[in-house]
Amino acid sequence: GAVVSQHPSWVICKSGTSVKIECRSLDFQATTMFWYRQFPKQSLMLMATSNEGSKATYEQGVEKDKFLINHASLTLSTLTVTSAHPEDSSFYICSARVYGRDQPQHFGDGTRLSIL
Amino acid sequence: DAKTTQPPSMDCAEGRAANLPCNHSTISGNEYVYWYRQIHSQGPQYIIHGLKNNETNEMASLIITEDRKSSTLILPHATLRDTAVYYCIVRARGGSGGYQKVTFGTGTKLQVIP
Repeated sequence: GAVVSQHPSWVICKSGTSVKIECRSLDFQATTMFWYRQFPKQSLMLMATSNEGSKATYEQGVEKDKFLINHASLTLSTLTVTSAHPEDSSFYICSARVYGRDQPQHFGDGTRLSIL
Repeated sequence: DAKTTQPPSMDCAEGRAANLPCNHSTISGNEYVYWYRQIHSQGPQYIIHGLKNNETNEMASLIITEDRKSSTLILPHATLRDTAVYYCIVRARGGSGGYQKVTFGTGTKLQVIP
């Protein structure tokens, strides 16, 4: 149980385009999902917390107009990288938590984004 | 969330037990210890968590010291597929309807050697 699916797993696109990444909790409902970014040989950096039915909470230094997050249902959150540029190339990972006070987060397999 | 300290890297012979330490000397009474691992180019995988008692599941055992200031993740019989970066994280339990974000440190890179 507690499977998180992320799509697509790999995307290559031209500079200036927008890219949407989906994160789905397959067998549980998630009122909260999290989006991370990871550069090569670095740890995961939390970008934002996605809340179902409300605005996302962004970490300091993350541009909310650049990284649009929508959490329209209890099983789906999307991250849209708007007007992507080469410096946005990274590994993007989402996670979701099963409801319960000590329940762990479960992570998707990540999306590798390459902007040419 | 309390800060954790882990060695940057460790080696372990295949078939032997891998013992990964984590120091969390500033842990609070309501903070759990969680372990995740990340195999190259994949998302992190949840392994185990605990509050103050030792825990065991099909993947690993978690030993938490009595003062809760440190813990050890034990992989009883390491295989080559256990080569990964292992993250120790402490996180407070969420309140009613609440949540706690997970913040990753640099982890321990475990290399299992044939």
